[in-house]
Amino acid sequence: QVQLVESGGGVVQPGRSLRLSCAASGFTFSNYGMHWVRQAPGKGLEWVAVIWYDGSNKYYADSVKGRFTISRDNFRNTLYLQMNSLRAEDTAVYYCATVRGGSGWRNDYWGQGTLVTVSS
Amino acid sequence: SYGLTQPPSVSVSPGQTASITCSGDKLGDKNACWYQKKPGQSPVLVIYQASKRPSGIPERFSGSDSGNTATLTISGTQAMDEADYYCQAWDSSTAEVVFGGGTKLTVL
Repeated sequence: QVQLVESGGGVVQPGRSLRLSCAASGFTFSNYGMHWVRQAPGKGLEWVAVIWYDGSNKYYADSVKGRFTISRDNFRNTLYLQMNSLRAEDTAVYYCATVRGGSGWRNDYWGQGTLVTVSS
Repeated sequence: SYGLTQPPSVSVSPGQTASITCSGDKLGDKNACWYQKKPGQSPVLVIYQASKRPSGIPERFSGSDSGNTATLTISGTQAMDEADYYCQAWDSSTAEVVFGGGTKLTVL
């Protein structure tokens, strides 16, 4: 069955960096685009970034552009989010999700999330 | 920037029908999706392409759209349906997405 397992979250000071990972299994990872989506405490879902199935295109929310980098390793079936210059407002649970297109764009599988807390 | 508007909250009695709306410019062209989000759990896709229901999602969940508004309808609402619901719009050329602010569905 499809599994997405995020890791790498934790407590980090403002201005520092953190790298999240999302290990994929149960499907052909290299055939799917991937999203990072976050949810700050008490807030709604916020899209963070997308990477195409082959890594050829990447797009970011304005709130993270220039600070976060999405990447993937299709040999290791792993998605990454490098987060630099972290701010308190980046505190959130971060989810990875599959991007399925074709017969209707959607995020049909989600990981369990990893919590990032930015605090001094 | 593109935005989606949802009502902050909707209340429904058990067994009745709940409707949650989502408004955005030309939303009908943007492959609207709906996700259910319960505290401590990951989002669950309940409707995609405005009206398609993924396998495993109960038939009481349905969706529709008309121009600038998408609607999620839950018929015969059950206590287990109490959750936050988020609409989502897609830019199909880049796969960038926007989420609505979410609607808290209370079953009382």
